[in-house]
Amino acid sequence: AQRVTQPEKLLSVFKGAPVELKCNYSYSGSPELFWYVQYSRQRLQLLLRHISRESIKGFTADLNKGETSFHLKKPFAQEEDSAMYYCALIETSGSRLTFGEGTQLTVNP
Amino acid sequence: DGGITQSPKYLFRKEGQNVTLSCEQNLNHDAMYWYRQDPGQGLRLIYYSQIVNDFQKGDIAEGYSVSREKKESFPLTVTSAQKNPTAFYLCASSKDTRNEQFFGPGTRLTVL
Repeated sequence: AQRVTQPEKLLSVFKGAPVELKCNYSYSGSPELFWYVQYSRQRLQLLLRHISRESIKGFTADLNKGETSFHLKKPFAQEEDSAMYYCALIETSGSRLTFGEGTQLTVNP
Repeated sequence: DGGITQSPKYLFRKEGQNVTLSCEQNLNHDAMYWYRQDPGQGLRLIYYSQIVNDFQKGDIAEGYSVSREKKESFPLTVTSAQKNPTAFYLCASSKDTRNEQFFGPGTRLTVL
């Protein structure tokens, strides 16, 4: 069965510093990966998906099949990036998302 | 926001009682989902439905039941068989199971 692991439950950085939220997955096929974000008092929402190869709010994520990782990166963190971030995976022929445990990012002024 | 609603926002229940959480969407989405969100455990899938009149168990379906009689509605019943029901429950919908999921605001259930 597929599994998504986010090793850091809490991550704290200073404004302007680079930030990387780690996501590792276990799945033998070719998965599709997502990052969802939940800002304080807002709904959980999609941040980006790997097939779109977009940069959203300055965030990027590259799928590394060799390392089975999909880390989320931003070169200069902003205070408004403080939120809970979830990595998620869907199998090639799957019908459901599997979420990681989440990482709470805090960007300090 | 809008498009997918959950009610009530807060719900209190006595032990031994069943309770039903509402989820409605007007996005014309075929797929709908129920998740449970607990601190440090991420989102765990309870049930999902790919199309009206059909649903499948997720990872933690025991003690829960659902129905999907209408495309717009996917209510979740938390039964007395659920051993630890106090949690935050999220409903979501998507065009199909491979597309972006849109989430509701959630219902916080507390068992007294």
